[in-house]
Amino acid sequence: GAGVSQSPSNKVTEKGKDVELRCDPISGHTALYWYRQSLGQGLEFLIYFQGNSAPDKSGLPSDRFSAERTGGSVSTLTIQRTQQEDSAVYLCASSLDGRWENIQYFGAGTRLSVL
Amino acid sequence: AQSVAQPEDQVNVAEGNPLTVKCTYSVSGNPYLFWYVQYPNRGLQFLLKYITGDNLVKGSYGFEAEFNKSQTSFHLKKPSALVSDSALYFCAVRDDGGGFKTIFGAGTRLFVKA
Repeated sequence: GAGVSQSPSNKVTEKGKDVELRCDPISGHTALYWYRQSLGQGLEFLIYFQGNSAPDKSGLPSDRFSAERTGGSVSTLTIQRTQQEDSAVYLCASSLDGRWENIQYFGAGTRLSVL
Repeated sequence: AQSVAQPEDQVNVAEGNPLTVKCTYSVSGNPYLFWYVQYPNRGLQFLLKYITGDNLVKGSYGFEAEFNKSQTSFHLKKPSALVSDSALYFCAVRDDGGGFKTIFGAGTRLFVKA
């Protein structure tokens, strides 16, 4: 596609429910990132995928958070047993590959509201 | 450990005046520095980056940034601000001694008054 696509754009859920957020990166981009942007805060790194390498999960805040990337393309971020503090905008980005100098291209984000 | 600081939550400037948005960083290896901008209801967009070479980097929309190794700073500048520059600006760093993650600052909201 022309850009990074994220779905849904908005998600409202009840506390304790599981949610899945989807990211479709730019075609041909092997590196994919997930971030969380809370109200009034910067971007918090969550997880990084590069090709077939083991992902860098060091930013995941708890074991309720997990992410997969199937076939080196689409990625799904799953939050289990959601809590109110999980409410935030979840941003996905992709880059051509994992080189440090590469630009990241961001999706519009998924706004998650946990009631 | 990597870190990025943007000391100002908000910067106010009059249209036509020069603007500066500050950023300092800490890394263990060599820094790769970026500025991104977020307009209302839109995703982050790349502005410019420093990898190596000239300390003054020029980017999109007339923005530039100066890399200062001794002060570990990478301040964003523009000689003449436009009202349309009003947005949220993020400084980010990658560190070739610290893995593959990108660390973003908390962001600085720029408000340009007509």
